[in-house]
Amino acid sequence: AQSVTQLGSHVSVSEGALVLLRCNYSSSVPPYLFWYVQYPNQGLQLLLKYTSAATLVKGINGFEAEFKKSETSFHLTKPSAHMSDAAEYFCAVSTADSNYQLIWGAGTKLIIKP
Amino acid sequence: EAGVAQSPRYKIIEKRQSVAFWCNPISGHATLYWYQQILGQGPKLLIQFQNNGVVDDSQLPKDRFSAERLKGVDSTLKIQPAKLEDSAVYLCASSLVRGYNYEQYFGPGTRLTVT
Repeated sequence: AQSVTQLGSHVSVSEGALVLLRCNYSSSVPPYLFWYVQYPNQGLQLLLKYTSAATLVKGINGFEAEFKKSETSFHLTKPSAHMSDAAEYFCAVSTADSNYQLIWGAGTKLIIKP
Repeated sequence: EAGVAQSPRYKIIEKRQSVAFWCNPISGHATLYWYQQILGQGPKLLIQFQNNGVVDDSQLPKDRFSAERLKGVDSTLKIQPAKLEDSAVYLCASSLVRGYNYEQYFGPGTRLTVT
């Protein structure tokens, strides 16, 4: 069965600093990986997705993520944090085995310090 | 294009009462999902529709939860009777078709508090 682990329920960075949100997955078949963002009192919005093309994926708002099969990881990064990045971020995996349903991590709340 | 609409946005009920949530997906989207998101957790899929048919409802507590998607468009999710542990945000999402390459678009959710 597929699973997703997000390391750190809360991550705090200073404005202008590097953002790194960690995601590790477990899957016996090739995965499709996603990062979603959820702003307070809003639904989830897709940031980026990996679907077996380029391993470095660029998304919206300056975020990118790199698929590393050997490490079963799909970490999300942004070179310079902005106050507007404060939100909760969810990593999810989908496979043919899961009928393409999204299996979600528990989320990481990103806090930006001024 | 209009997004996924949900109502109400907030609902407070007492345990053992019933409640219903409504979702209007993006026009033309064949697949509709209902998720339950408990505070501090990722969304949990309750039920997935393809047009007006159920694709997967394996995680829907069928003794108290029911959902329908009449005419393959709008959908309602009902809880009867509600329990304290049903307090959560209920998210509706839709996608053009079912598959990994088709983005799921989420509504703003309904925050349910059961007292």
